[in-house]
Amino acid sequence: SQTIHQWPATLVQPVGSPLSLECTVEGTSNPNLYWYRQAAGRGLQLLFYSVGIGQISSEVPQNLSASRPQDRQFILSSKKLLLSDSGFYLCAWSAGFANTGELFFGEGSRLTVL
Amino acid sequence: GNSVTQMEGPVTLSEEAFLTINCTYTATGYPSLFWYVQYPGEGLQLLLKATKADDKGSNKGFEATYRKETTSFHLEKGSVQVSDSAVYFCAPSNQAGTALIFGKGTTLSVSS
Repeated sequence: SQTIHQWPATLVQPVGSPLSLECTVEGTSNPNLYWYRQAAGRGLQLLFYSVGIGQISSEVPQNLSASRPQDRQFILSSKKLLLSDSGFYLCAWSAGFANTGELFFGEGSRLTVL
Repeated sequence: GNSVTQMEGPVTLSEEAFLTINCTYTATGYPSLFWYVQYPGEGLQLLLKATKADDKGSNKGFEATYRKETTSFHLEKGSVQVSDSAVYFCAPSNQAGTALIFGKGTTLSVSS
């Protein structure tokens, strides 16, 4: 069966520090991968998605970047965090989105920037 | 790009009451439409979906019909239970058909 893992689960970082959140999917190949942010009062915002290695689509301009160094690995990064980067970050994967559209979400990473 | 608006909550109901959560979208073309649910302490999971006009998605007693004329995908349930208490998200696919655009979510609280 397929599983998705993301870490760390909780992170408290000072303003201006770097960020790296990692997500790994197991049990499938060539997944579509996604990073969403869930902020209070703002719902679930799509940040990045990837349909293949090295292919990253950014949905909104911001202080974050994403990379996909391997087929089942998706990394969310920042060089210098802002207070507004605080939130709950969710990684998700889908298999053949055009066919089913179903996303499978990880357990999330809660980031607090102080 | 595609966008979605869903009714703001919280929605508070008594057990066995009728539920409607409104969802409207704006889109280029005909997106697929989804409802996701997030139960307390759990991750998001797919509740139901519809991929073309007039399709009805259904699951766990919930239903939603893809209405192209009104660009809507309202979620309904005839008789809610306490266990339905959760946050519900409406989500059309994006213009490229490669990702989902989620609404802000509607919190449902059902009391016995």
